[in-house]
Amino acid sequence: DAKTTQPPSMDCAEGRAANLPCNHSTISGNEYVYWYRQIHSQGPQYIIHGLKNNETNEMASLIITEDRKSSTLILPHATLRDTAVYYCIVSLVYGGSQGNLIFGKGTKLSVKP
Amino acid sequence: GAVVSQHPSWVICKSGTSVKIECRSLDFQATTMFWYRQFPKQSLMLMATSNEGSKATYEQGVEKDKFLINHASLTLSTLTVTSAHPEDSSFYICSARDGRKNTEAFFGQGTRLTVV
Repeated sequence: DAKTTQPPSMDCAEGRAANLPCNHSTISGNEYVYWYRQIHSQGPQYIIHGLKNNETNEMASLIITEDRKSSTLILPHATLRDTAVYYCIVSLVYGGSQGNLIFGKGTKLSVKP
Repeated sequence: GAVVSQHPSWVICKSGTSVKIECRSLDFQATTMFWYRQFPKQSLMLMATSNEGSKATYEQGVEKDKFLINHASLTLSTLTVTSAHPEDSSFYICSARDGRKNTEAFFGQGTRLTVV
């Protein structure tokens, strides 16, 4: 079973920031938080990941609470093309067969004009 | 990000026949590949994990004799759905990562299989 809990759906106005929450209260010390998104009928797209510190890249920012039990993905200026299902996943990142990603139900983000 | 190419993007086959899906890492060496299945309006379900040169590890409930996985090189893994039936119709997705590096997994674009 997925180790994360996300709201099933969210709406966001185009141009505004989209803040997607994720609870992962059972995360272990060596597990990372990953975010992927899936646009309809496509493979998942990697967005960002982090361990303890907040992370930022060209797509999004990831804010992880100090106790690491929850995180928030921030899309700073959402566009219509950001409409997708967003998955928050916790996983080990080591060699070999570890690092498999177990997907939950995700959050369906709808960006509206 | 790195590129994972999946082929074909869609396929229709007759019940009882076998279908092979290819997953290639184009610009990195994939020591580990994962195969997922996604039914309509559901999330991705991990089917199996394969390491290059080793037998695949299947998730509980996935028949290894029905879903044959070969990962013979660092850039190619194949999934063969044998004796396909209509209930095997689904969206099959592969992902790949270089297990020797601290990198994320990258996904292919998926293969829509329809068994008629």
